[in-house]
Amino acid sequence: RKEVEQDPGPFNVPEGATVAFNCTYSNSASQSFFWYRQDCRKEPKLLMSVYSSGNEDGRFTAQLNRASQYISLLIRDSKLSDSATYLCVPWGAAGNKLTFGGGTRVLVKP
Amino acid sequence: NAGVTQTPKFQVLKTGQSMTLQCAQDMNHEYMSWYRQDPGMGLRLIHYSVGAGITDQGEVPNGYNVSRSTTEDFPLRLLSAAPSQTSVYFCASSSQRNTEAFFGQGTRLTVV
Repeated sequence: RKEVEQDPGPFNVPEGATVAFNCTYSNSASQSFFWYRQDCRKEPKLLMSVYSSGNEDGRFTAQLNRASQYISLLIRDSKLSDSATYLCVPWGAAGNKLTFGGGTRVLVKP
Repeated sequence: NAGVTQTPKFQVLKTGQSMTLQCAQDMNHEYMSWYRQDPGMGLRLIHYSVGAGITDQGEVPNGYNVSRSTTEDFPLRLLSAAPSQTSVYFCASSSQRNTEAFFGQGTRLTVV
């Protein structure tokens, strides 16, 4: 089993709709989780940190399910500018290493 | 606010050449990592460091060397470049475990 797994997508989303996708991780000892956004192979940029059960920031909501070892990201009222690849990063998925999932591509269309 | 600085931004190498990708951070972060990203793929960890003088291998370390003589710098050396090392390379740093990572702008390397 991979340390971090994400559905690669793409998720084709009509503008204004809601989209959600998951990230599963293998190490139950992971304590903190991050969602990053990446545009066109530019450097990833932090979208959200999750240290407990979840976090919300405007239109973005992350929820952590420790029992099933996955974290989800929900985007409400999708904007064209939300089109990007979203990378899941559990700290400690593999010991001291910061290991990234393969990313989920989201395409928001008018 | 410099953050994480990578140089060069672009590089073309011939097969067999060696070179060093530079990464420097000015945030006094302990953790530093190197990743490569190939088209259509996620970031794969090459090497990482949890502090000056300490380095360890990641997922794809073959063909690369690192050292960490100072907290600020974490250079990545390609020993003998191969076309399979054509990729975008990202350096990242974080202050400690369980904190967010900050990324450099990347180095786009082509090996011909």
